[in-house]
Amino acid sequence: DAGVIQSPRHEVTEMGQEVTLRCKPISGHDYLFWYRQTMMRGLELLIYFNNNVPIDDSGMPEDRFSAKMPNASFSTLKIQPSEPRDSAVYFCASSPDGLGEQFFGPGTRLTVL
Amino acid sequence: KQEVTQIPAALSVPEGENLVLNCSFTDSAIYNLQWFRQDPGKGLTSLLLIQSSQREQTSGRLNASLDKSSGRSTLYIAASQPGDSATYLCAVDGGSQGNLIFGKGTKLSVKP
Repeated sequence: DAGVIQSPRHEVTEMGQEVTLRCKPISGHDYLFWYRQTMMRGLELLIYFNNNVPIDDSGMPEDRFSAKMPNASFSTLKIQPSEPRDSAVYFCASSPDGLGEQFFGPGTRLTVL
Repeated sequence: KQEVTQIPAALSVPEGENLVLNCSFTDSAIYNLQWFRQDPGKGLTSLLLIQSSQREQTSGRLNASLDKSSGRSTLYIAASQPGDSATYLCAVDGGSQGNLIFGKGTKLSVKP
């Protein structure tokens, strides 16, 4: 298995633009997580899905952030409009059962100018 | 609210030394605890997962212990190597499925 796949690996955009980050979880994993990592706050959970259904989005910072999982093999995290304070590394992770080991993707480094 | 603290924030040791990384958490009602490794510019690699009913887990030169009652975990690395240089993160699962709470990590540098 190729592991969790994220794209793009790097994204540079200007303030106000829409940003879409993509994730393909490990096949057969029922849980998908989106995290954000910054120097100040470390790693924070944004939202997670179980069987494509959003379960907890309490970590989503603002309404500018939205996430979808249209099927078991694909999820997106969208920021519209983007702001410089959204600059961070965004990780996607998947897990077979939600209570055990989580497998992380390589992350997307987002820079908003 | 669960908080996870890792001390020290950074550690530099000569090759061959045995070392201990520390993790503490404020709420002992955890389901499991995981140790991760993160290399610069890379994602996280899971090293060890300890269920709340376990006291320790071992993988090669790594040994992780868990003391729920005191809210502490340690990651022991034996005979450290330069390839062990990375940031080590501790995370607790509070029992709410998927809600991993991370510490800010310990940046380890092993000098040849």
